[in-house]
Amino acid sequence: DGGITQSPKYLFRKEGQNVTLSCEQNLNHDAMYWYRQDPGQGLRLIYYSQIVNDFQKGDIAEGYSVSREKKESFPLTVTSAQKNPTAFYLCATRDRSTDTQYFGPGTRLTVL
Amino acid sequence: QQQVKQSPQSLIVQKGGISIINCAYENTAFDYFPWYQQFPGKGPALLIAIRPDVSEKKEGRFTISFNKSAKQFSLHIMDSQPGDSATYFCAASRQAGTALIFGKGTTLSVSS
Repeated sequence: DGGITQSPKYLFRKEGQNVTLSCEQNLNHDAMYWYRQDPGQGLRLIYYSQIVNDFQKGDIAEGYSVSREKKESFPLTVTSAQKNPTAFYLCATRDRSTDTQYFGPGTRLTVL
Repeated sequence: QQQVKQSPQSLIVQKGGISIINCAYENTAFDYFPWYQQFPGKGPALLIAIRPDVSEKKEGRFTISFNKSAKQFSLHIMDSQPGDSATYFCAASRQAGTALIFGKGTTLSVSS
């Protein structure tokens, strides 16, 4: 936690709706990441951004979109194209000087 | 293709015992190997990390052992305590790499 905020903590969505998960950081880190966590699956990379106005797809980007208009913010949109969106979503930043990744507290998304 | 394989999936240790979790990696370009600890409903937190130029790193009760030739690294928790009960993830990344690649996690339970 500490320096990375994710909101909301819990999110419920009806099928067919798009939802946006917020991630804000005050660590002054250039790199930011979105991971998805499912039971027994570890953390899987959705999207990452090395710098403002640039982002790259991760291993499971289908059905998701991101933007990086500000250094502090990296919102994730879960679209209706994501077939199984119920999961725990984690945002992270990386300190380039140490390679350390810091994680936010997460958002639990449930599709009803 | 699973680039970081973690075992065991779950582990039960008596209080005061030694907990050992193992990871194996495939990509010889990896040069940063962290371990994360995660409590239920929280984001992962960095526990300890190692680079391949050393074979062992110790921080308090936590030790990473690294075997470059075998492409394996392990976490040892000495004098395990009930408060250590959590899920532990190993990970790996390349220098100036894009993101961490995580193992699937080990759920540790320390019984009192």
